[in-house]
Amino acid sequence: QMTQSPSSLSASVGDRVTITCRASQSISRHLNWYQQKPGKAPSLLIYAASSLQGGVPSRFSGSGSGADFTLTISSLQPEDFATYYCQQTFSTLYTFGQGTNLEIK
Amino acid sequence: EVQLVESGGDLIQPGGSLRLSCAASGFTVSNNYMSWVRQAPGKGLEWVSLIYSSGSTYYADSVRGRFTISRDNSKNTLYLQMNSLRAEDTAVYYCARDRGPYSSHDYWGQGTLVTVSS
Repeated sequence: QMTQSPSSLSASVGDRVTITCRASQSISRHLNWYQQKPGKAPSLLIYAASSLQGGVPSRFSGSGSGADFTLTISSLQPEDFATYYCQQTFSTLYTFGQGTNLEIK
Repeated sequence: EVQLVESGGDLIQPGGSLRLSCAASGFTVSNNYMSWVRQAPGKGLEWVSLIYSSGSTYYADSVRGRFTISRDNSKNTLYLQMNSLRAEDTAVYYCARDRGPYSSHDYWGQGTLVTVSS
């Protein structure tokens, strides 16, 4: 089970934002982050806890191992307002967190 | 260029069956790990099923015994056969390519809507 926090977040352009994801047991570094905009398919941001997917801006970063992970956006841009999901792929029963809705303040 | 195009979504009565398709281009489905992920209206993402390049298959508890993932190598297409459909199966269904075992979904289709209702 994956628990994300917060479930929603209001922030301004230029802010630094951190989203956390906690697993119910150790998942090593098998943790991914996705961004989803309304009406669109999710897109991969970060895989294996901290590796940036090709084409993703460097303001996105991930960290953590074991059971606790974070996604950080260093300086929010207008196009970053979206919903973010973590996902564990440690077991063959992959599970997503419940999502974090990042809104404009 | 990698592309995934889902089709087959429809309005179906509870207890009915439906088969979703995911046509791939730019890579070979049988050489990759492939998944189905769904999203109920206004809800979060739920992983549904996975097929390894070896052919091994895995399912979420919520669909095991009712859904079957498969592929047609000659058509480079992934499928999801859905039987005994329930109202709670109503969702947009996405197919996705996996980077590898125990990895992430690096390419996604646009999704196809399945509505289970009488």
